[in-house]
Amino acid sequence: NAGVTQTPKFQVLKTGQSMTLQCAQDMNHEYMSWYRQDPGMGLRLIHYSVGAGITDQGEVPNGYNVSRSTTEDFPLRLLSAAPSQTSVYFCASSYSTDYEQYFGPGTRLTVT
Amino acid sequence: KNQVEQSPQSLIILEGKNCTLQCNYTVSPFSNLRWYKQDTGRGPVSLTIMTFSENTKSNGRYTATLDADTKQSSLHITASQLSDSASYICVVTLPYKLSFGAGTTVTVRA
Repeated sequence: NAGVTQTPKFQVLKTGQSMTLQCAQDMNHEYMSWYRQDPGMGLRLIHYSVGAGITDQGEVPNGYNVSRSTTEDFPLRLLSAAPSQTSVYFCASSYSTDYEQYFGPGTRLTVT
Repeated sequence: KNQVEQSPQSLIILEGKNCTLQCNYTVSPFSNLRWYKQDTGRGPVSLTIMTFSENTKSNGRYTATLDADTKQSSLHITASQLSDSASYICVVTLPYKLSFGAGTTVTVRA
């Protein structure tokens, strides 16, 4: 099992550009989620999905879109990048929130 | 205000010594409380998961305790090693989401 994979590992964007952060898991997990991690703060939930075709907003969804067309993939789209979106982004998956969450290695995004 | 507060923010200990990290939470009800270890530049990795009815859970040299009455949890690291240098994050599981503390950064010095 590869576990949870994320691409790219690093990305630099200019303000206003759009991009997609990729996340994939091979553990047949129903629950997938995206977090951002900023210095001095806990991980904050951006969006989550409880299964293919089902997504919902987390604490900080503004400026981000997600879709879940398959069980394996859960991409995160930045519509128009802003410097406030400079952060480290983590994708995670699990059978449900009651079970152990497996995190990807993270994507470090810088918006200039 | 964060619903999960951790203390201290950081600490430095000598190799071989013990330390205890604290977590206070205000959220309820919750299904479980977790402690994660996050190495620099990596994603968090689960150490322990406790339901609200459990008082203690161990994973090797890591022991977590939970007092649901006072809404406090602690993580005790025994006989610290250099590899224990990391951020330790307390997490409370709510319906469909997790609430994360900001973490305690532990530095183990030789």
